[in-house]
Amino acid sequence: GNSVTQMEGPVTLSEEAFLTINCTYTATGYPSLFWYVQYPGEGLQLLLKATKADDKGSNKGFEATYRKETTSFHLEKGSVQVSDSAVYFCAFLAGGTSYGKLTFGQGTILTVHP
Amino acid sequence: DTEVTQTPKHLVMGMTNKKSLKCEQHMGHRAMYWYKQKAKKPPELMFVYSYEKLSINESVPSRFSPECPNSSLLNLHLHALQPEDSALYLCASSQAMEGREKLFFGSGTQLSVL
Repeated sequence: GNSVTQMEGPVTLSEEAFLTINCTYTATGYPSLFWYVQYPGEGLQLLLKATKADDKGSNKGFEATYRKETTSFHLEKGSVQVSDSAVYFCAFLAGGTSYGKLTFGQGTILTVHP
Repeated sequence: DTEVTQTPKHLVMGMTNKKSLKCEQHMGHRAMYWYKQKAKKPPELMFVYSYEKLSINESVPSRFSPECPNSSLLNLHLHALQPEDSALYLCASSQAMEGREKLFFGSGTQLSVL
């Protein structure tokens, strides 16, 4: 069945460090891939997306590339800030009988210290 | 306007109470969703409305009753809830259920059942 395996956290970094959060997926067909971010006490915000193989999504210094051959969508940022502290969810939307069902990873808690 | 608005932000209710959660979007989206999120977990899909008709019910107990009065509004009626129903309830919308476009999430209603 459909699933997302996301790097377990929590991840703790110093400001300006490099960030990678790994994400791999199992899905039928060609899903659309997303990274959502959730700040404390808030809902989910879309961080970036990619809809086909080799697409690169980017936003606010974050990037992720849709790798069909490795079924991965790893999140990266070259220099994190304290304000990036949040929970990050990798997710996808597949087609067929999975229409309308966003499949999430377990989430990765990121804490950035000054 | 790219917002999904949820009210109230916080709700405390007893097990015998009846209350409703409200969600509104003005993006012309034809799919609307209810998710339930427990602390430190990913959101879990509850219901999907497509073109104002209930399309997906993920075997949610009948004490949760969704309603879609029109294409912009989504309600979740609550009755005889249990303490384990305490969670963050998130509303979301997208262009259409059959597409693979991103979901926009509201900031959620934090529900506590006493």
